[in-house]
Amino acid sequence: DTEVTQTPKHLVMGMTNKKSLKCEQHMGHRAMYWYKQKAKKPPELMFVYSYEKLSINESVPSRFSPECPNSSLLNLHLHALQPEDSALYLCASSLRTGGGTSGLSYEQYFGPGTRLTVT
Amino acid sequence: GIQVEQSPPDLILQEGANSTLRCNFSDSVNNLQWFHQNPWGQLINLFYIPSGTKQNGRLSATTVATERYSLLYISSSQTTDSGVYFCAVNFGNEKLTFGTGTRLTIIP
Repeated sequence: DTEVTQTPKHLVMGMTNKKSLKCEQHMGHRAMYWYKQKAKKPPELMFVYSYEKLSINESVPSRFSPECPNSSLLNLHLHALQPEDSALYLCASSLRTGGGTSGLSYEQYFGPGTRLTVT
Repeated sequence: GIQVEQSPPDLILQEGANSTLRCNFSDSVNNLQWFHQNPWGQLINLFYIPSGTKQNGRLSATTVATERYSLLYISSSQTTDSGVYFCAVNFGNEKLTFGTGTRLTIIP
């Protein structure tokens, strides 16, 4: 099973709301990722978690707050978003993060995404 | 800086035609993946191919790492092949960098 699930599928929120996106995998993967994809653009990396610890933050504004409560679950907490934050938010996982001196790299598997609209 | 370029950006074909999509990258890679993004946004894994050639049904892929490119071949296209095809590359760190994408439209 190579399934990554994401909820909700769609989300409409106002600029003063607080909401959360959820991502789950049961493949025993220890690396999890958040990506943001604007229309007609490729996905862009936001955050990387390795063994439940934040490994990479790609200079994402603090109104996006990631959380990895356990090895299967990844959340993205949203607060005071702007209309330009409207996008498809994709979660992914891989066995490990790879990189470093090992030179290893691992296949990433993506969830179906949450389509977010900020009004 | 690190670059991943795909060509062509757009491709329109009749059902049954064959196509070749190209991915050029600017540095040596640890990992290269090909994805198909369907109209609902789901990224579907096609190939994990840092080097060599792989085949899966009507699709095949070849990566020539020393010359910094990868090719995705689609034969006997079907309308369900429509969507955006991305290559994504890992340059030896924890990140996957996506290419610019090729939008494929298959006409019945």
